[in-house]
Amino acid sequence: DARVTQTPRHKVTEMGQEVTMRCQPILGHNTVFWYRQTMMQGLELLAYFRNRAPLDDSGMPKDRFSAEMPDATLATLKIQPSEPRDSAVYFCASGLASGLAGYNEQFFGPGTRLTVL
Amino acid sequence: SQKIEQNSEALNIQEGKTATLTCNYTNYSPAYLQWYRQDPGRGPVFLLLIRENEKEKRKERLKVTFDTTLKQSLFHITASQPADSATYLCVGGSTLGRLYFGRGTQLTVWP
Repeated sequence: DARVTQTPRHKVTEMGQEVTMRCQPILGHNTVFWYRQTMMQGLELLAYFRNRAPLDDSGMPKDRFSAEMPDATLATLKIQPSEPRDSAVYFCASGLASGLAGYNEQFFGPGTRLTVL
Repeated sequence: SQKIEQNSEALNIQEGKTATLTCNYTNYSPAYLQWYRQDPGRGPVFLLLIRENEKEKRKERLKVTFDTTLKQSLFHITASQPADSATYLCVGGSTLGRLYFGRGTQLTVWP
């Protein structure tokens, strides 16, 4: 049963600390997405990759956030330094893009619940 | 700015009735729309995708429409059940991959 995995599932940290969240996409998928969900803003797209190349990270605060895909089996989202307003649930999703037809369904991971004190 | 709007934050209906959720888009023309279901504490789960050249898609008790004139998609659940209670998200996408999520509609189906 293929699924997206995310670690850690929960993270509590203090303001100013570095936070790294990891995602293992479904094997064979060529797109990876990072989302942030809060009660106030709903689900926001932070960044996404296609074939490991970043296509759009305009939703991400660049001064403190960074997203990478060191290889096809690992995507990371890093916050440095973290702030209380970063508290949210961070979801990773993967999918299989099919050229001009666009993107088909995305498979979401269980999320990382981040609390910054 | 581009926007996906789900007008109702919450919808309460009786079991057996048809639930209809609305999604409107403004300031852009999505190549496709997707609908996801999200349960508390979980990630969204894909339900249906409809492309701009399709008027209607069905899957079991689910039906979604895409009206490019009204700039609207309707999502229907027929013969609704309490197990259908969840938040439903509308997502607009382009062929370039940019995605816009609605805030979701929380559906409650009571017995």
